Amino acid sequence: AQSVTQLGSHVSVSEGALVLLRCNYSSSVPPYLFWYVQYPNQGLQLLLKYTTGATLVKGINGFEAEFKKSETSFHLTKPSAHMSDAAEYFCAVIEGNTPLVFGKGTRLSVIA
Amino acid sequence: NAGVMQNPRHLVRRRGQEARLRCSPMKGHSHVYWYRQLPEEGLKFMVYLQKENIIDESGMPKERFSAEFPKEGPSILRIQQVVRGDSAAYFCASSPRTGGDEQYFGPGTRLTVT
Repeated sequence: AQSVTQLGSHVSVSEGALVLLRCNYSSSVPPYLFWYVQYPNQGLQLLLKYTTGATLVKGINGFEAEFKKSETSFHLTKPSAHMSDAAEYFCAVIEGNTPLVFGKGTRLSVIA
Repeated sequence: NAGVMQNPRHLVRRRGQEARLRCSPMKGHSHVYWYRQLPEEGLKFMVYLQKENIIDESGMPKERFSAEFPKEGPSILRIQQVVRGDSAAYFCASSPRTGGDEQYFGPGTRLTVT
């Protein structure tokens, strides 16, 4: 069965600094991988997803993630943090027709 | 295009009462997923439905919980005889097709059991 591990339940960065949120997965077959963002008291919004093809995936709001099969990782990055990026971020995986399996989330704080 | 609608957004129930959560998928979407989010936890899959059919209920507690997605109207998640441990945010997502790789989430219903 697939699983997702997000390293760091809370990450804090300065405005303008690099954002790096880590995600490792386990899957017995090539997975589909996702990053979602959740703002307080709201639902989840898809940031980006990897299904097939190019391993570097660009998403909304300047975020991108790279699928590294050898490391079973799908880390999320953004070159320069903005105050509006403060939110909870969830990594998720699908294997075949299974439902989304989510990590526990990483809360990103951005310091002015 | 309206997004996924959920109502109510907040629901307070006393222990032992019933909770009914509604989810209206995006127009043209016939697949609905329900997830539960406990405090400090990620979302956990509960059930996957297509119109009039339950496809996968492997994440649904065996007792007190049920879900439906009728031919007409919203999908309903029903929790009977609620307990304090049912307090959580319940999200639904809709999709236009199988495979689950294109899910659009609603704003959630926050259930509080007192």
